[in-house]
Amino acid sequence: QSVLTQPPSASGTPGQRVTISCSGSSSNIGDNYVYWYQQLPGTAPKLLMYKNNQRPSGVPDRFSGSKSGTSASLAISGLRSEDEAVYYCAAWDDSLSGLVFGGGTKLTVL
Amino acid sequence: QVQLVESGGGLVKPGGSLRLSCAASGFTFSDYYVSWIRQAPGKGLEWLSYISNSGTTIYYADSVKGRFTISRDNANHSLFLQMNSLRAEDTAMYYCARDRGWELPEFGIDYWGQGTLVTVSS
Repeated sequence: QSVLTQPPSASGTPGQRVTISCSGSSSNIGDNYVYWYQQLPGTAPKLLMYKNNQRPSGVPDRFSGSKSGTSASLAISGLRSEDEAVYYCAAWDDSLSGLVFGGGTKLTVL
Repeated sequence: QVQLVESGGGLVKPGGSLRLSCAASGFTFSDYYVSWIRQAPGKGLEWLSYISNSGTTIYYADSVKGRFTISRDNANHSLFLQMNSLRAEDTAMYYCARDRGWELPEFGIDYWGQGTLVTVSS
């Protein structure tokens, strides 16, 4: 059972917009930054979003992040086949004094 | 460019020990917090431990506290994870990872190594 809650799966067709949610609590998302990672099959995770809504250089602006209270979300617009991956959210948890992850959302591009 | 290269994984019997290493390059290693994170086969990501840039502040997940020890050698740009009393459930890919914050931690990872596989089985 992950501390942060994500839907296990999401899907969309090419060109569509999809949103992946991440729900936490006051000790993690409520009080700290949220980070998002993309993991393609057989590879290490890659940073997609930092400090809630900041994109590292090289990440297309089709990806956007937001946070409100104890929840966060990752939006992908103009969906492409190469976006098919597992997406994880993460945040520091003050109560646990540790980094916590969501269980991951497998995105399928139909 | 930032590179993190893990080594030391392999097959070990339950109750055994293993020491993982991570060689860092492409950045000033002593300026950053670093971490170990693992991923069991077909499962999600699990954070294990964080160590400060000086090595004086350390955090552990409850699942490994008392069994795993994180350490670093800034002179040789290396991170280590000593794993004792290994169990079948420790079987996973182990990633070395860098915190995004320069000198002060953000407690968010920006770079990951490719991982080293640890299998605990008799």
